[in-house]
Amino acid sequence: GAVVSQHPSWVICKSGTSVKIECRSLDFQATTMFWYRQFPKQSLMLMATSNEGSKATYEQGVEKDKFLINHASLTLSTLTVTSAHPEDSSFYICSASQGHMNTEAFFGQGTRLTVV
Amino acid sequence: GEDVEQSLFLSVREGDSSVINCTYTDSSSTYLYWYKQEPGAGLQLLTYIFSNMDMKQDQRLTVLLNKKDKHLSLRIADTQTGDSAIYFCAEKNAGNNRKLIWGLGTSLAVNP
Repeated sequence: GAVVSQHPSWVICKSGTSVKIECRSLDFQATTMFWYRQFPKQSLMLMATSNEGSKATYEQGVEKDKFLINHASLTLSTLTVTSAHPEDSSFYICSASQGHMNTEAFFGQGTRLTVV
Repeated sequence: GEDVEQSLFLSVREGDSSVINCTYTDSSSTYLYWYKQEPGAGLQLLTYIFSNMDMKQDQRLTVLLNKKDKHLSLRIADTQTGDSAIYFCAEKNAGNNRKLIWGLGTSLAVNP
């Protein structure tokens, strides 16, 4: 299957700083990328959907100014957590789809963010 | 709104079959998926089934779909300790910008 690489795998940052997480599709062009947040022992919560070259569509309750998403190319999307607080600590996962009626979304390995 | 439900836990003995069940509410689902998540890792697509199919088999995995009852199951034959993980059921309909609707996941524990 297609490979999606997410970087970093884990990061620890101080409160008030910003953290950028990258999601790359390595061997295919991803027209759509999805960003999820997962709390311990819970399901995935979709944060936003991003299409290459356009603004991301955020789910209800997700602050777009806090979670900045950039999908500048068909192989790269970034999520920046701005002014991070301890409550932003979580597991963030991206996925990528290709085509308009793609049957599959391929997932990155996730990023464990800890804000201290 | 759309909803996907799964039982939260399943425990089986090594070598037995595991059956993980999932129900969904969206009658216009086009694809239904099973993903596996090992601790601290991302999600791995195990298999998927198109909504006009009743069954799909892939090696040790068998997916059964009852569209009338909106019930999906994943059977793992000869379950191994390496199958211990969380299994997520997800569904997608054609008009939803390819968003997936997720269940909460079933934690499968395989005992030796």
